[in-house]
Amino acid sequence: DAGVIQSPRHEVTEMGQEVTLRCKPISGHDYLFWYRQTMMRGLELLIYFNNNVPIDDSGMPEDRFSAKMPNASFSTLKIQPSEPRDSAVYFCASSLGASGSPLHFGNGTRLTVT
Amino acid sequence: GQQVMQIPQYQHVQEGEDFTTYCNSSTTLSNIQWYKQRPGGHPVFLIQLVKSGEVKKQKRLTFQFGEAKKNSSLHITATQTTDVGTYFCAGITNDYKLSFGAGTTVTVRA
Repeated sequence: DAGVIQSPRHEVTEMGQEVTLRCKPISGHDYLFWYRQTMMRGLELLIYFNNNVPIDDSGMPEDRFSAKMPNASFSTLKIQPSEPRDSAVYFCASSLGASGSPLHFGNGTRLTVT
Repeated sequence: GQQVMQIPQYQHVQEGEDFTTYCNSSTTLSNIQWYKQRPGGHPVFLIQLVKSGEVKKQKRLTFQFGEAKKNSSLHITATQTTDVGTYFCAGITNDYKLSFGAGTTVTVRA
């Protein structure tokens, strides 16, 4: 079991550029979550998918953020255009089953927007 | 909306001492999970509590779920340097809304 795999581990970009974060969930897991972590706001749920379908995107900050899950083994979180306030660690997590299933987090992508 | 409050935000502990971190919800929870995040790492699942009044132990860690299922605690005895990190509770409501607390960041003085 390779765990949840995220790429890149670090991303440094200039304001206005497009950023794409990638995630491969654990095989067989049917839920996928995108979280953002900052010192000020802690862990924030951005969006989650069930069987590749977005269920709740109420945490997505604004239209600059979008997420897709084209198949069960891949998801992307895109920020376009990026802004300095988007700087954070972005975690992808997956779980098997619904309420009460443990979340398995990836190592995260540390995004810095200058 | 549902909020999960966690206190204290920081806990500085002498090695060998005990401490407790608390988690409180404004609404009744169906279950609660606890995670640990080491510095520079990612949250790792520790345990889940489901039943009212439930108590579970993992070595020196004792987890409790309140009778009303609105609060939980994590008690660590004889703190060691390996306990350093941030401990998060995550409350789950009946409609599968999972809400993380702000975490308690633990540092240990040797």
